[in-house]
Amino acid sequence: ETGVTQSPTHLIKTRGQQVTLRCSSQSGHNTVSWYQQALGQGPQFIFQYYREEENGRGNFPPRFSGLQFPNYSSELNVNALELDDSALYLCASRGQGALAGELFFGEGSRLTVL
Amino acid sequence: GESVGLHLPTLSVQEGDNSIINCAYSNSASDYFIWYKQESGKGPQFIIDIRSNMDKRQGQRVTVLLNKTVKHLSLQIAATQPGDSAVYFCAERTSGSRLTFGEGTQLTVNP
Repeated sequence: ETGVTQSPTHLIKTRGQQVTLRCSSQSGHNTVSWYQQALGQGPQFIFQYYREEENGRGNFPPRFSGLQFPNYSSELNVNALELDDSALYLCASRGQGALAGELFFGEGSRLTVL
Repeated sequence: GESVGLHLPTLSVQEGDNSIINCAYSNSASDYFIWYKQESGKGPQFIIDIRSNMDKRQGQRVTVLLNKTVKHLSLQIAATQPGDSAVYFCAERTSGSRLTFGEGTQLTVNP
């Protein structure tokens, strides 16, 4: 519906493991942002990529990293998982010239860390 | 620090009534504000936005009001329908394209 698809939809990891979450944006959407949403809270900005380069980062440690590819797909990688990393991870994209709030969100990847 | 919060965590209204969802923000430098709707199991959906040089903006059945004097934002939904039931978030642009979201208000529309 939004043109943004995320995978996997759910996954379970154990503490210390690494995870890669994937996002596919609409064609032409060259800005992608990743957000972490804990249960019952609003999304928190992790970082943003524009034309394959990170151009903004929130208060997240370096073990959160990302990649953006020329085909409008992107990845969020989290190393050394901690219990508090359990959350819904949202990918959002927007097109060139769109306002900052005109984001198209995917349905998220729900990560559970045991 | 910077924060965006909501006055009420839940709001229950009757179908057909008007709904008002409130939001307080603390960063006076924020220049752009957005309301999102998030239904269960889905990502947030853009509803309406407003720049800081405006105090009111209307969309289809929705109106956003901005009071910079008291750092207050509100979303008004006219003739609320069951399909409006969701969590509503306000968000502010704090720098560049970074958005800071509030904690959300759960709107329940009773038939």
